[in-house]
Parts: sequence; C-alpha cells; structure tokens
Amino acid sequence: NAGVTQTPKFRVLKTGQSMTLLCAQDMNHEYMYWYRQDPGMGLRLIHYSVGEGTTAKGEVPDGYNVSRLKKQNFLLGLESAAPSQTSVYFCASSKATGQRYGYTFGSGTRLTVV
Amino acid sequence: GESVGLHLPTLSVQEGDNSIINCAYSNSASDYFIWYKQESGKGPQFIIDIRSNMDKRQGQRVTVLLNKTVKHLSLQIAATQPGDSAVYFCAENPPGGGNKLTFGTGTQLKVEL
Repeated sequence: NAGVTQTPKFRVLKTGQSMTLLCAQDMNHEYMYWYRQDPGMGLRLIHYSVGEGTTAKGEVPDGYNVSRLKKQNFLLGLESAAPSQTSVYFCASSKATGQRYGYTFGSGTRLTVV
Repeated sequence: GESVGLHLPTLSVQEGDNSIINCAYSNSASDYFIWYKQESGKGPQFIIDIRSNMDKRQGQRVTVLLNKTVKHLSLQIAATQPGDSAVYFCAENPPGGGNKLTFGTGTQLKVEL
C-alpha cells in the first residue's frame, strides 16, 4: 500500500522550461491537492480537485496548470518555469467531506529553477 | 528584489519534558483543525485532529486544545522524545467546500538530550 507517490523527487529546470509533476494515490480518495512549501511560509494551496475531470484554483495558482483525467492521478504542470517557482511541492489526497478529513501527503518534489 | 527566507519559531525542550506548541488560526468559521508533524525531507504526517464542537482531544502522548474564543490551538506532547524533533504545523478547515486546509507557518521542535 503505497499511499501517495510523487515523481520526480528532485528536478532542476532552466528558466522558461516546462515540466509536469505526477501524483498518484492508491487509496481511492476523491479529493487531491497540490501545495507548495517555501521557507517560513508553511504550505500554500496551488490547485485542487474534488473528483475526476474537475479542478479548481487555490491560493497561489498563477503559473501552474493541473489535470485529473483519472481518479488516482493528479498532474501539476509548469508551462514556463520561473525562479520564483523554486520550492518544494507536495501532493495530498483525502476522502470527501463528511468523513475523516485528514490529508495523506506524498514525500515531496524539490524543484529548483535557475 | 530577492526574498529573504524567514526563520521558523523554535521550541527547545529537554528529553522527557512536556512540550506545548501553540498556533493562532485565522477563520472563526473553521470547523475542523489538524496538527501535522514534518520531519526533514518528508511530507507532513497527521498527528491528531479536533472538531470545533470540542475543546480537548487526547491521543497517544499528544493532546490538542482548542480555544475558539481567541482562535487558538495548542498541541501538548508528553514525555518528549528525540524522535519528536520535527516541524509542527496546525491546519484549519475553513468553510467553502473542497475540504481545503489552511496551514500555519510551523514551529520547529528541538529535543535536547
């Protein structure tokens, strides 16, 4: 039982390059989330999804796109990377509201944009 | 200009002592709160949760207290161990659907032998 798996774990990009971060969960959770974590700022929500085929903006969505074509996968895309997107990215999943709310997090992707 | 990273508040305790980590949350309408533990290089891990209709909840060696009057949460860890060294985050679930969580900035707990 893997829980939430993120790939890759580390990546270095040049400014202007694009990339996709993959998140996969095997718990049949309805909801999935992408957060970024910067020093001293906690976790901030980028985008989230409440079900297959649906996505919504979080607190800091600019510069990112997401897709949830399958219930178990949630992809985060950077079309044109900028140094300000250097961060640690965490994916999480949870059951729908009304049940236990706690998230299960992946182990993170450390992205550096130079 | 280039942003400067902020330093996390740090709590240093002796092994075996009790630890109290505090958190102020922002939304008075939040109805659910969670404490997470994050070890270096890992994702946050669920510790304990509490709903807004409670003011105290106990787990194994941990207790969460909720004071809605002043929008304050605390996490108490009994008999702190070296393995408790980590960053601790509180999170609140504000209204608005999607089960979204808003996280605090975190507190670094250091356990001294």
